[in-house]
Amino acid sequence: GQQLNQSPQSMFIQEGEDVSMNCTSSSIFNTWLWYKQDPGEGPVLLIALYKAGELTSNGRLTAQFGITRKDSFLNISASIPSDVGIYFCAGQHSGTYKYIFGTGTRLKVLA
Amino acid sequence: NAGVTQTPKFQVLKTGQSMTLQCAQDMNHEYMSWYRQDPGMGLRLIHYSVGAGITDQGEVPNGYNVSRSTTEDFPLRLLSAAPSQTSVYFCASSYSGVGYGYTFGSGTRLTVV
Repeated sequence: GQQLNQSPQSMFIQEGEDVSMNCTSSSIFNTWLWYKQDPGEGPVLLIALYKAGELTSNGRLTAQFGITRKDSFLNISASIPSDVGIYFCAGQHSGTYKYIFGTGTRLKVLA
Repeated sequence: NAGVTQTPKFQVLKTGQSMTLQCAQDMNHEYMSWYRQDPGMGLRLIHYSVGAGITDQGEVPNGYNVSRSTTEDFPLRLLSAAPSQTSVYFCASSYSGVGYGYTFGSGTRLTVV
């Protein structure tokens, strides 16, 4: 089955640094979602995007729906230790309830 | 608190045993689904349901059965456990329709020995 490519797979950053990650697909999506998963927990929805070019923020997090509708980006500003976790993107095709998930970006923040 | 409840949180099975992973939600969501999470593989859809009495297969359905007799419950049955089914299983629910994000349970960590 199709999965989305997330980049990078993992990253170590210093506390206070900004973080960027992206998600790419070979097909067009109508909705993009970004989730965060803490260790031992289920993913929690961070941001939802519904229109090409849309830019949406949630605190220090900003996500963008790519203009081509085949990609999406997530930025975290001024990272803190609690940003540690796995970040997943998910895309939804037109006319379907199902989401396709990316393989995840594992973030580790060094204090 | 409202949400998706999964039981058990941990389970060890012997090869060939069967068991049911329970999932219940109290948000009146029509759509429910089961995913498995394996290292480096992200979340893969096992089965899903768009309402009571309606289920369909996802991308990795072999070895699993589901039923949806009520809106609230969506159990996942392992028919004859195999070591390849060692994984973390997540149940998720949402309102039906385009653009609604999922609410996930906290997962069941299953080990098959």
